Amino acid sequence: EPEVTQTPSHQVTQMGQEVILRCVPISNHLYFYWYRQILGQKVEFLVSFYNNEISEKSEIFDDQFSVERPDGSNFTLKIRSTKLEDSAMYFCASGETLAGDSYEQYFGPGTRLTVT
Amino acid sequence: QKEVEQNSGPLSVPEGAIASLNCTYSDRGSQSFFWYRQYSGKSPELIMFIYSNGDKEDGRFTAQLNKASQYVSLLIRDSQPSDSATYLCAAGGRRALTFGSGTRLQVQP
Repeated sequence: EPEVTQTPSHQVTQMGQEVILRCVPISNHLYFYWYRQILGQKVEFLVSFYNNEISEKSEIFDDQFSVERPDGSNFTLKIRSTKLEDSAMYFCASGETLAGDSYEQYFGPGTRLTVT
Repeated sequence: QKEVEQNSGPLSVPEGAIASLNCTYSDRGSQSFFWYRQYSGKSPELIMFIYSNGDKEDGRFTAQLNKASQYVSLLIRDSQPSDSATYLCAAGGRRALTFGSGTRLQVQP
């Protein structure tokens, strides 16, 4: 069964450094998403991406964040200058096929980002 | 502010019993509703989705939606110890989902 994959599984970085989190969505999906979950807290929406542009973003997704689909398979989240409070599990998700008849989102295994 | 509210639990049920999980949502524009299961340290796993009022059954799981009351529920029949996890309710549309904080379910052998 196809699944969303994410790399790396764990990233440790120093405050102020740039990080890029990578995702390979399910191949026939059209919508791509990033969510994050701070330890012990809710899953929070960051951004959705469709047709090579941002579809919606939350208040969390400020100028420090950017997303890109650099090729036909990868979807990346960049954090330009990491802060301690960016430490969280970051989940990529994908959903919706050309049939357009479903809204289900399937999550990858996550990247644990630790900012020191 | 879009909110999804869930009782944090833990909800403790004996093996073989029915577990009933509930959530309410604030955004009347929500079109789709989901239940995810999340084991500790793992990612959310989609187990049920419902778009229309009424009941939807899939194996041991039944999701119920009442848009007038802005209420979603999940019933798990014949609960097994392996069902012990946190169950996340989510509401939204194709662009974004809002998640609740989750209900921790413990199934006692």
